[in-house]
Amino acid sequence: GEDVEQSLFLSVREGDSSVINCTYTDSSSTYLYWYKQEPGAGLQLLTYIFSNMDMKQDQRLTVLLNKKDKHLSLRIADTQTGDSAIYFCAEDNYGQNFVFGPGTRLSVLP
Amino acid sequence: EAGVAQSPRYKIIEKRQSVAFWCNPISGHATLYWYQQILGQGPKLLIQFQNNGVVDDSQLPKDRFSAERLKGVDSTLKIQPAKLEDSAVYLCASSSGLNTGELFFGEGSRLTVL
Repeated sequence: GEDVEQSLFLSVREGDSSVINCTYTDSSSTYLYWYKQEPGAGLQLLTYIFSNMDMKQDQRLTVLLNKKDKHLSLRIADTQTGDSAIYFCAEDNYGQNFVFGPGTRLSVLP
Repeated sequence: EAGVAQSPRYKIIEKRQSVAFWCNPISGHATLYWYQQILGQGPKLLIQFQNNGVVDDSQLPKDRFSAERLKGVDSTLKIQPAKLEDSAVYLCASSSGLNTGELFFGEGSRLTVL
């Protein structure tokens, strides 16, 4: 079946850039997503990228997609303490077969 | 716009007891999902409904888990009998099924099985 992998932890200093990486196996993915989960809350969509794109920028967020290597990354510029959360990579196939990665816990140090 | 509502937020039961969780999706969203999120892991799909029909329940442990969405709106997820390994957060999500297929999640129901 489809699989999504992520590194589990990342620590950065406030003001630095954070880069969270993800690899996936399903070559038929149509969209790839980044969701954010704060403590005690459900997941919230941060951004997404269509599979025929290789980059998307949205304010402090930059998503890079390497479809050949099935690698997705999320860069957060000027990381703030409010960015501390768990970030999940996810893929789907036209709204079906949503698969989430294990999540990367981002800790932002003052 | 009201979000996805779930209840109860917390439930503690003993093993072999039963429990039910309720979800009210965003109005007009045809697709509803139940996910199980074990501590330290990503959400795992249990079941996906399109209106009141099941699209995917391949990962639902059907010997103890059941779910229904009778009128195509609210949904309930039941576990009977519960096992220790069922301790998790049960997340409900809905989507309109249009465009990106973005999922909107509720805050989840945290189950502890003792």
